[in-house]
Amino acid sequence: EVQLVESGGGLVQPGGSLRLSCVASGLVVSTHYLSWIRQTPGKGLEWVSGFHGGGAIDYALSVKGRFTISRDDYKNTLFLQMDTLRAEDTALYFCVGGRGNIFFEYWGQGTPVTVSS
Amino acid sequence: SYVLTQPPSVSVAPGKTARITCGRDNIGSKSVHWYQQKPGQAPVLVIYYDNDRPSGIPERFSGSNSGNTATLTISRVEAGDEADYYCQVWDGNSDHFYAFGTGTKVTVL
Repeated sequence: EVQLVESGGGLVQPGGSLRLSCVASGLVVSTHYLSWIRQTPGKGLEWVSGFHGGGAIDYALSVKGRFTISRDDYKNTLFLQMDTLRAEDTALYFCVGGRGNIFFEYWGQGTPVTVSS
Repeated sequence: SYVLTQPPSVSVAPGKTARITCGRDNIGSKSVHWYQQKPGQAPVLVIYYDNDRPSGIPERFSGSNSGNTATLTISRVEAGDEADYYCQVWDGNSDHFYAFGTGTKVTVL
């Protein structure tokens, strides 16, 4: 059974930083396609960043230059470093993955991020 | 922006059929995937590549995609089908890569 468990969310002031983690079990992060997706009541679901084939990385325009995705293959863990956070980054962040990069088979339960002063 | 338009809500009586649409110009040229999300839970993939079902998803769930509209159909609706449903496409040639629909709340009467 695949499990994705996120952590690292919390309350941070505008301009601050957070690092989200996603520990995977039942799948190997280096051979699967993993992404971060966020959800807000107002904007719905939004893809944030992800690993594609061959280790290629992509970002949504809204976070490019501020967020950095990475992974630790030995710890089978995915990360999202979020810098220069803005109020509009407030959301529930899901770690998601699958055997391909076209749709998302596996979802974590999410970790909440609140950016507010 | 890459907008996939869904009706905000659909109401259906138990045992009847619910149809949820997802609209965009020429969406029929893309593969559409559907997710079910119950309150307080993460989304669950229910349909991929327009009309394929993951293991464990009932045959009552089916999909179609043509022209400007993709449709998720839930036959013989049950109370447990009450949830939010989202469509999703992948477009590697756009800046958005992945686009999600606006979401539809299905209420079982």
